[in-house]
Amino acid sequence: GDSVTQMEGPVTLSEEAFLTINCTYTATGYPSLFWYVQYPGEGLQLLLKATKADDKGSNKGFEATYRKETTSFHLEKGSVQVSDSAVYFCALGRGANSKLTFGKGITLSVRP
Amino acid sequence: KAGVTQTPRYLIKTRGQQVTLSCSPISGHRSVSWYQQTPGQGLQFLFEYFSETQRNKGNFPGRFSGRQFSNSRSEMNVSTLELGDSALYLCASSRLATSEYNEQFFGPGTRLTVL
Repeated sequence: GDSVTQMEGPVTLSEEAFLTINCTYTATGYPSLFWYVQYPGEGLQLLLKATKADDKGSNKGFEATYRKETTSFHLEKGSVQVSDSAVYFCALGRGANSKLTFGKGITLSVRP
Repeated sequence: KAGVTQTPRYLIKTRGQQVTLSCSPISGHRSVSWYQQTPGQGLQFLFEYFSETQRNKGNFPGRFSGRQFSNSRSEMNVSTLELGDSALYLCASSRLATSEYNEQFFGPGTRLTVL
């Protein structure tokens, strides 16, 4: 079945540091890939998505590229802010099937 | 446009009791999905409802059930609660699409504690 693997956390960075959060997936065919963010006490918010190979999703300075050859969808940001502190989830979905398969999530803490 | 709302936000129950959680999707959204979030297992898909029918189901025991009403509002029920059912229960809604992925919008969740 489908699965998503995220790098182990937590991650602590200083403000303005470069961020990379690794995500790889196992799935047949061509799933859609997503990054969701969860701020303390809140539900999940879609951060960005890519629906086919080589697509680049971007939002709020975050970027991720759908790499079919390496089955990866790593999240990057050039300069993190304290307000980016949250839990980040990589997820996989298929077509009109609304089921999402999530990675374990990683907690990011950004210190001033 | 109002987002997905879930009630109650917090709930404390004891083992053996049952509980009902409610979810109101975004207006116009016809699909509602439920997820369980725990520190150990992460986010796991429970089930999805569309047009009052369960369209998809995860690997949870029969104690977990749900339903959807004609106005797309959904409820999930957990019977004979166990300590391990303590979790954040998230609801997500999306529109119907036949081929493109439906973006899912999540509610804030209901935090269930079983004592």
